[in-house]
Amino acid sequence: EVQLLESGGGLVQSGGSLRLSCAASGFTFSSYGMSWVRQAPGKGLEGVSLISGSGGSTYYADSVKGRFTISRDNSKNTLYLQMNGLRAEDTAVYFCAKRLPTSNGLDVWGQGTTVTVSS
Amino acid sequence: DIQLTQSPSFLSASVGDRVTIPCRASQGISSYLAWYQQKPGRAPKLLIYAASTLQSGVPSRFSGGGSGTEFTLTISSLQPEDFATYYCQQLNSYPFTFGPGTKVDIK
Repeated sequence: EVQLLESGGGLVQSGGSLRLSCAASGFTFSSYGMSWVRQAPGKGLEGVSLISGSGGSTYYADSVKGRFTISRDNSKNTLYLQMNGLRAEDTAVYFCAKRLPTSNGLDVWGQGTTVTVSS
Repeated sequence: DIQLTQSPSFLSASVGDRVTIPCRASQGISSYLAWYQQKPGRAPKLLIYAASTLQSGVPSRFSGGGSGTEFTLTISSLQPEDFATYYCQQLNSYPFTFGPGTKVDIK
């Protein structure tokens, strides 16, 4: 079964750091691009970051550029999001998601991990 | 950045209704559009990609159409499990923006 399992969320003070992890199983992890998408309480979806299958290409939303770093360890089938300089507006549920081979959508999602930034 | 508009934000419908949810892009995105369904407390679920391709395992009552700047998601006969929020996402250019969502609730 194809599965993604996030971990690492929690409560952190403004200016602090967290590292989210997303453990993948049931597919050839290194063959697929991956994404982080977040959802603030009561709000819609926001794409945060993307990474190619090899890890050689990355993309960040302007709202997190310079503060967040996406990476992956294909030997461990794990995706990461290092979040530094956290702000209250980063409070959200963070989902990891697998990209379709054609990159035309996100076909597998994790259950999400909650990040709460207190000011 | 490409902006996506979904109007209305809320839509009331009854079981058995045919429901059409629009999504408009601020500039042409060819067919690089996906649709997701999200229920409260759950992760989004991919329904449609490439504007009109039904994702494996999704019921055939869901269909997508359009290209360029105008797109639609249609549910041919609304079922009780379809009451949810629906989001479109463009994958034509970075950032891969999402629309604000349309919530379908029970009339």
